[in-house]
Amino acid sequence: GEDVEQSLFLSVREGDSSVINCTYTDSSSTYLYWYKQEPGAGLQLLTYIFSNMDMKQDQRLTVLLNKKDKHLSLRIADTQTGDSAIYFCAESNDNDMRFGAGTRLTVKP
Amino acid sequence: NAGVTQTPKFQVLKTGQSMTLQCAQDMNHNSMYWYRQDPGMGLRLIYYSASEGTTDKGEVPNGYNVSRLNKREFSLRLESAAPSQTSVYFCASSPRISGPYGRNQPQHFGDGTRLSIL
Repeated sequence: GEDVEQSLFLSVREGDSSVINCTYTDSSSTYLYWYKQEPGAGLQLLTYIFSNMDMKQDQRLTVLLNKKDKHLSLRIADTQTGDSAIYFCAESNDNDMRFGAGTRLTVKP
Repeated sequence: NAGVTQTPKFQVLKTGQSMTLQCAQDMNHNSMYWYRQDPGMGLRLIYYSASEGTTDKGEVPNGYNVSRLNKREFSLRLESAAPSQTSVYFCASSPRISGPYGRNQPQHFGDGTRLSIL
């Protein structure tokens, strides 16, 4: 079946940029998403990108999509301690949505 | 604006007990979903309801049943709980704008129900 993969952990220093990477296998993806999960809470949609786009920027967040390589990344500029959370990559086509296992971002002061 | 509300937030059950997890959304969304989240595995879809009156199996439906009570409410029932069902359960909803089931639309999640089965 189709798959979404991301590394499980990332640690950065406050003020640095964070880059969280994701790869997927579904060539018929229509949307790609980044969700943020803080402790004890549900998933919060951060941003999403249509598969015919290659970049989307929203304040400190930049999403890059390389459709040829099926690679999605989320860059967080000027990372703050409040950005510490688990970040989930997800992709969907008309019928299914699939989530990665999540990347736990730790921001050190 | 509450969004997606799940109850209860925590529950401990004994093996063999039954219980129903409740979910309600106030965004007038057509589609609703139940997921389970296990460490290192991301979210796995249990059941979904593309619209009021319909339900379909997801990736891991065994041991669960669902009811789409009305447009707002979608409940998940464990008839005979097993330790393998210890997990965090999330309900989500999405507007049905395009696609046959609307599952490709951004989904809005509740805060989860943490369920432990002893």
